[in-house]
Amino acid sequence: GAVVSQHPSRVICKSGTSVKIECRSLDFQATTMFWYRQFPKQSLMLMATSNEGSKATYEQGVEKDKFLINHASLTLSTLTVTSAHPEDSSFYICSARAVGQANEKLFFGSGTQLSVL
Amino acid sequence: GDSVTQMEGPVTLSEEAFLTINCTYTATGYPSLFWYVQYPGEGLQLLLKATKADDKGSNKGFEATYRKETTSFHLEKGSVQVSDSAVYFCALYLVQGAQKLVFGQGTRLTINP
Repeated sequence: GAVVSQHPSRVICKSGTSVKIECRSLDFQATTMFWYRQFPKQSLMLMATSNEGSKATYEQGVEKDKFLINHASLTLSTLTVTSAHPEDSSFYICSARAVGQANEKLFFGSGTQLSVL
Repeated sequence: GDSVTQMEGPVTLSEEAFLTINCTYTATGYPSLFWYVQYPGEGLQLLLKATKADDKGSNKGFEATYRKETTSFHLEKGSVQVSDSAVYFCALYLVQGAQKLVFGQGTRLTINP
């Protein structure tokens, strides 16, 4: 089946630094990628939707200047957490929708556990 | 708004035990319902789905029935194996509306030999 590679799987950083998370579709082209975040014991929440070559659409309450999303090609989207703070510590996961597929048919990365000290 | 509530984990069972993970939903329309599974170190994978009331989704011995009257989609398996140890996510998708997957919080399942 289709594979989505997410890197890194775990990152620890100091407060105030920026962290970049990559999401790649390895064997298919993804016109749309989704970024989710999960705090402990809470639901996996959609943060933003990114379409290749255009600006990302952010969900209500998600700061676009803090969570920079770039979807420069059909196989790569990146999420950069800028000036990270301890409250940004969370599990981040990406998913990708193949060209021509409905939004319900997604392939997921394995997630990134971010810990901000 | 649309939401999904799952049975709080973690759930620990012995091999060959019967499994139920409860999932209920709130939605403004008629959603499709899904169960995803995440094995250690891997991405979420679609386990099964049901698109309308009374549909039963099944895969790998797991089953879930779309119950509109109780707004539920409980996951069941008659005899679990150690290899079923994973995190299970219930989700809904509405075509009429935001067109995005709405997830529950996930339930971690551990099966002991």
